[in-house]
Amino acid sequence: EAQVTQNPRYLITVTGKKLTVTCSQNMNHEYMSWYRQDPGLGLRQIYYSMNVEVTDKGDVPEGYKVSRKEKRNFPLILESPSPNQTSLYFCASSIAGTRGGTQYFGPGTRLLVL
Amino acid sequence: AQSVTQLGSHVSVSEGALVLLRCNYSSSVPPYLFWYVQYPNQGLQLLLKYTTGATLVKGINGFEAEFKKSETSFHLTKPSAHMSDAAEYFCAVSVQAGNMLTFGGGTRLMVKP
Repeated sequence: EAQVTQNPRYLITVTGKKLTVTCSQNMNHEYMSWYRQDPGLGLRQIYYSMNVEVTDKGDVPEGYKVSRKEKRNFPLILESPSPNQTSLYFCASSIAGTRGGTQYFGPGTRLLVL
Repeated sequence: AQSVTQLGSHVSVSEGALVLLRCNYSSSVPPYLFWYVQYPNQGLQLLLKYTTGATLVKGINGFEAEFKKSETSFHLTKPSAHMSDAAEYFCAVSVQAGNMLTFGGGTRLMVKP
């Protein structure tokens, strides 16, 4: 089954404790992206990647890191989480270079930073 | 820069009634427009999209949307609401090469029996 998976689905942590949210897709997509969803703000892009070893900032990259060492994986790293990073996070993937292409979303990771 | 505005963060309709979710965009170039749906505790799923060609676009689950360039709108409609349509709906725009999407704030649709 074609899908985007994220782990963990739920995470409670404390300020400053490094964490990683994993994202994996099995559709051989070049493009992958991370979004955060906050009430009333919709989804805002954090980082995206057009292919392996190619990443770039989205609209709200502060406090986040990413890496793309393999085509299928695109982990999101919070090196020193803060309470304002409490949010619902989505990973997405699609065929690269297609402006009208469909993005496929993972099920989301709900993060609470205390 | 592009932006998307969804009027009404919450919309409530009765089962069987018309569903109308509003989306307006701003863009300096011809946009590609999308509607995504998010069911509780799930990721987003594409409902429909407009790229080029026919301005009335049909999607899954009986939804459709019409691109109106003069009004910079892409409203989502469904003639008869079903309880299973209760979800959050997001309008999004793509205005540049690549895959970047700009999302509206979302509209939560509630369907009353």
